[in-house]
Amino acid sequence: EAGVTQFPSHSVIEKGQTVTLRCDPISGHDNLYWYRRVMGKEIKFLLHFVKESKQDESGMPNNRFLAERTGGTYSTLKVQPAELEDSGVYFCASSQGRTSGEFFGPGTRLTVL
Amino acid sequence: AQKITQTQPGMFVQEKEAVTLDCTYDTSDQSYGLFWYKQPSSGEMIFLIYQGSYDEQNATEGRYSLNFQKARKSANLVISASQLGDSAMYFCAMRDPAYSGAGSYQLTFGKGTKLSVIP
Repeated sequence: EAGVTQFPSHSVIEKGQTVTLRCDPISGHDNLYWYRRVMGKEIKFLLHFVKESKQDESGMPNNRFLAERTGGTYSTLKVQPAELEDSGVYFCASSQGRTSGEFFGPGTRLTVL
Repeated sequence: AQKITQTQPGMFVQEKEAVTLDCTYDTSDQSYGLFWYKQPSSGEMIFLIYQGSYDEQNATEGRYSLNFQKARKSANLVISASQLGDSAMYFCAMRDPAYSGAGSYQLTFGKGTKLSVIP
């Protein structure tokens, strides 16, 4: 069974540009999460989808971040326009239930210059 | 508010020895879940073990066990018979609430402990 996949693995963009990150969860997992780790800090929650609905987006830093999960399958996270402080590793995770651990993807390392 | 504290930025352990990674948490809720993840140098996050707040037995998964002391709000990870491949960052995390239908499902992470296994 394929795990959670993320694309791209690395992205280097200039301040002001737009970047879109993609996550493909494990097949059949209704829960999809986005997390971010800025260098030297804790991994922080961004948002949570249940199927195609946003269950909780309290962690989204501002309106430059837009997440979608059309059809309840893969998800995209768009940053527009990107700022220097957006640099970090963006993790996607999926799970079936509340008591199971999330399965994380390998992350996308975003560098904003 | 939830908070996870991992007081050990780095730990060293001799191969084949056991090691305990500390984690304390702060929550006012009665229902919650505790998790440990491993992040090797390759970057992926690997789920290791889960403990529910109402579970009476400490969770175990192979060489991993979770020393859950609810009154002290601690959920230490014990790795027995350390192997070189155990060298990685280890993150403690909490989901609150674990069992109720309301609230957020998000995980709150600690800052992590970097474990180095010495041959």
